[in-house]
Amino acid sequence: DTGVSQDPRHKITKRGQNVTFRCDPISEHNRLYWYRQTLGQGPEFLTYFQNEAQLEKSRLLSDRFSAERPKGSFSTLEIQRTEQGDSAMYLCASSLDLAGGPDIQYFGAGTRLSVL
Amino acid sequence: GESVGLHLPTLSVQEGDNSIINCAYSNSASDYFIWYKQESGKGPQFIIDIRSNMDKRQGQRVTVLLNKTVKHLSLQIAATQPGDSAVYFCAENIPSNDYKLSFGAGTTVTVRA
Repeated sequence: DTGVSQDPRHKITKRGQNVTFRCDPISEHNRLYWYRQTLGQGPEFLTYFQNEAQLEKSRLLSDRFSAERPKGSFSTLEIQRTEQGDSAMYLCASSLDLAGGPDIQYFGAGTRLSVL
Repeated sequence: GESVGLHLPTLSVQEGDNSIINCAYSNSASDYFIWYKQESGKGPQFIIDIRSNMDKRQGQRVTVLLNKTVKHLSLQIAATQPGDSAVYFCAENIPSNDYKLSFGAGTTVTVRA
């Protein structure tokens, strides 16, 4: 399977715990994005990377959230001191920047987080 | 079957009929649009995209139409099949917002046998 891979698929945690999600993009894709999706809504942008550089962060990304892409390949999204409002599907997408400008973002299956 | 107006959250269509899913986007500066299909428990799956210098683009059984004058986007699915049942999202890219996509709330399509 050469698509975007996310791990774990499901995560149940207690309020106040830290969680970390991993995303492996499509090989050779230089852009990687994180989105959050709540039930009945479309995905909302959180942050994105061009290679290893984090270029933009949404206002949704509070200081409890941190994302990394240390070698420009896989990425991790960590949520510290989780709150019940963090319960959502966290989606990762990747794309290949060929000539600048927007391009097709391919999504993984997501990590569903439930905070009890 | 057709969804009309700014946005209808559900669309029921008879198997074999054509479906039209409508989307009103928010920003006249948007230069890139993309349609995704999302099945339950899965991530969004790319269907078709279109740039603002085009009015129409066709794929396999799908056509996207872009009307920049009224900021309207539509996805037409020919000969709708049971496997087309899903939530469909339109998304736009605004150049001033780098490469992030802004998604609508989605339309749930149900195909009747």
